[in-house]
Parts: sequence; C-alpha cells; structure tokens
Amino acid sequence: NAGVMQNPRHLVRRRGQEARLRCSPMKGHSHVYWYRQLPEEGLKFMVYLQKENIIDESGMPKERFSAEFPKEGPSILRIQQVVRGDSAAYFCASSPDSANQPQHFGDGTRLSIL
Amino acid sequence: GQQLNQSPQSMFIQEGEDVSMNCTSSSIFNTWLWYKQDPGEGPVLLIALYKAGELTSNGRLTAQFGITRKDSFLNISASIPSDVGIYFCAGLYSGNTGKLIFGQGTTLQVKP
Repeated sequence: NAGVMQNPRHLVRRRGQEARLRCSPMKGHSHVYWYRQLPEEGLKFMVYLQKENIIDESGMPKERFSAEFPKEGPSILRIQQVVRGDSAAYFCASSPDSANQPQHFGDGTRLSIL
Repeated sequence: GQQLNQSPQSMFIQEGEDVSMNCTSSSIFNTWLWYKQDPGEGPVLLIALYKAGELTSNGRLTAQFGITRKDSFLNISASIPSDVGIYFCAGLYSGNTGKLIFGQGTTLQVKP
C-alpha cells in the first residue's frame, strides 16, 4: 500500500487515555477517509475530509471522536477517553480530486485498549 | 442503512481451480470496487467498475458490474497460493460523499 502512510501501526492505550492516529494521503490526493474494522468484519465508514473541511462525518460516534485534515500536515483521528470497545483497526484512505474515484488505503493503525 | 451482502463467506479450494464470489445490494450503486486484504495490511484495490454491464479484467481477475446496478461479481481463474486473503466488494452510490459501503468479505484459502 505504498502512498498512504499511517502511524503508528500499533497503539496501546489504557481506558480513559487519548488516542491520536495519523494519516498522510498519497501525493496529490486531497480527499481523506477514515474507516474502522472489527475482527472478521468489513470496513465501516467513519468520516470524509478535504483540506480544512469535514465533508461527511455520518459514521463518527457523536462523542469522544473527532477528525481533522489541516492545511499543512497529516489528517488526525482523535479518540478521547478511550474505552475497550474502541479496540479495532482504523484505516485511512485517500483519493484524487473527485470523491467518486477509487480510494487507496493505508496499512492501518491497530488500536488496543487495556 | 445500506448493506452489501457478499457471498460466499469463505472458500477453500485447490490450487488451479477457478473462484467466483459476488455481492448484492438493495440499493443502486454508481461504482463497484473490489479489494483484497492480507493479514495485518490494508485493502488493496483490485478492480474498479463504473458502468452497468461493464466487464473488466486485471490479469487472472475478472469483475462485472451488474445490469441492475445492484450486484457485482469477481472471478479468479487458475488460483495460486498467493491468492489467499480476504476479498471485499465495496460500492459508491450517487449523491453520497465518497462513503464506501463494504461487504462482509470472502475469505479465500488455496491448497497447494
């Protein structure tokens, strides 16, 4: 999955801590998407961002979760006061200008909550 | 909410055999995508389909966008051990904002 870079690859947090997941899209891509994957399941959409704008956050939990894609730097998915149920693989994808173009994924961040 | 039903859930085949998997939806999609995911990695795009009836190949892989725009299939011919993995269909429909809807995945195992 050369191009979309996610870090860290693995993140361990204790309940109540904050988790920050970073995503740098492929060069030239200005659309970023975050998905969550539980074991044995497909990916579930969370949020779609363009530079400095949230376009669709219909898949984001209403509390504790936030995302941003600043003018400079990577996109950040932030989970505050993590709970055990937040344990999952979080994937970032990017696409070129049009939202209807194929999305290319990073290798994900595996979040484990102790 | 929208759902994609992907089948079969898993397959265990002999090397050299052909494989077929499909996805159906209650909604109409404008774009169908097929991805493969290996353990510990992200999904890798295999084939993208944009028109109803479109048939597209990528090496030993062939996928079709159903005429009704509510289904798609993926065929793998002459399977090899490195085809092992989880295959996902995903759809985009008009009017949405880039939100991909994923199927539940088909786990493929190939016996050498």
